Amino acid sequence: GAVVSQHPSWVICKSGTSVKIECRSLDFQATTMFWYRQFPKQSLMLMATSNEGSKATYEQGVEKDKFLINHASLTLSTLTVTSAHPEDSSFYICSAQGRGTGNTIYFGEGSWLTVV
Amino acid sequence: RKEVEQDPGPFNVPEGATVAFNCTYSNSASQSFFWYRQDCRKEPKLLMSVYSSGNEDGRFTAQLNRASQYISLLIRDSKLSDSATYLCVVQTGANNLFFGTGTRLTVIP
Repeated sequence: GAVVSQHPSWVICKSGTSVKIECRSLDFQATTMFWYRQFPKQSLMLMATSNEGSKATYEQGVEKDKFLINHASLTLSTLTVTSAHPEDSSFYICSAQGRGTGNTIYFGEGSWLTVV
Repeated sequence: RKEVEQDPGPFNVPEGATVAFNCTYSNSASQSFFWYRQDCRKEPKLLMSVYSSGNEDGRFTAQLNRASQYISLLIRDSKLSDSATYLCVVQTGANNLFFGTGTRLTVIP
């Protein structure tokens, strides 16, 4: 099956610094990638949708200047949390859909971010 | 009204029991439907897609009722390893994906 790899799995950073999370589709071309955030015991919350080569579409309430998303190629999307604060600590997951996956959406392994 | 509504549970069932989850969606134009399984602190993994004709995979049966706008997941002969959160996912158009809150299932020995 299709594989989506996310890196890093765990990251701890100091408040005020920026953190970049990568999401790669390993064996298919991801024309669309989704970024989610999940707080403990809550459901996934869509942050933004990005199509290759175009600007991401952010969900209401998600600050696009704080959560920078780049989807420059068909196999890589990145999420950068800028000027991170403790309240940004969460589980961030990407998912991808594209050529060869039909309608199925595949998820990355997720990245645990802790801001101290 | 939420796009997708799902009973969060928890459902605590004994091994061997049959358990069913329902999920309702609000947009009648929704096109694709999925059940995902999410283990604690892990990413969701596709359990099965849901088709109008219904589909079965071993102990798991998924059904779609377009008229009433709900999908269901039936798990027969529950195993301890089935303990997880089951997410209902509805897709409307290429980029519109909506998740239920997830239903937590615990299978008890």
